[in-house]
Amino acid sequence: DAKTTQPPSMDCAEGRAANLPCNHSTISGNEYVYWYRQIHSQGPQYIIHGLKNNETNEMASLIITEDRKSSTLILPHATLRDTAVYYCIAEPSNAGGTSYGKLTFGQGTILTVHP
Amino acid sequence: EAGVTQFPSHSVIEKGQTVTLRCDPISGHDNLYWYRRVMGKEIKFLLHFVKESKQDESGMPNNRFLAERTGGTYSTLKVQPAELEDSGVYFCASSRRTTGVGLAGDIRDEQYFGPGTRLTVT
Repeated sequence: DAKTTQPPSMDCAEGRAANLPCNHSTISGNEYVYWYRQIHSQGPQYIIHGLKNNETNEMASLIITEDRKSSTLILPHATLRDTAVYYCIAEPSNAGGTSYGKLTFGQGTILTVHP
Repeated sequence: EAGVTQFPSHSVIEKGQTVTLRCDPISGHDNLYWYRRVMGKEIKFLLHFVKESKQDESGMPNNRFLAERTGGTYSTLKVQPAELEDSGVYFCASSRRTTGVGLAGDIRDEQYFGPGTRLTVT
């Protein structure tokens, strides 16, 4: 599995965009980049994923560099409820593209949104 | 749609006793996963079921842990006998079938996690 590197913590003002970086310089061609978050005392929550194109959903946007060695999760208008640990995960798949499904969590980034 | 549920939410047992954790996945989800976070450590994968079959159990720490998913619906994780180092939060997750036809047509489903079971072994 590709190892991902994230800053241990970040701060963001409420209402501003939160940009969370992730380095995955050893990512292979068939590995997707997934983002999950864990709000205190809850189970992890899926946010978004992508392979090489930028992705957007109702929660966030994912920007993946052209060489796929890094990505940025963007929460466009952070709220206090977005305070959580954010995990960037490179999920492997086999040659046929089928996901193994096993998520490898690192330390993640503690995002604190303040008023 | 009901989410992933886990029971109990919290269990306190003595070293040497047996505990069984239960996970009810989202209806129709073929994939079921167990993870755990022990004190101060990262969330670690334990095993993965596809329906009733164990797809990957590479993360199971030792033979004191036994997971089952009879009938491909709910799953149980039994710890027998429990040790102090088993204390932590045990998460269950489920996802729909994952199919792959190559990178262009790959279909992937995110994992939905339950709230976890906090296990304390004293």
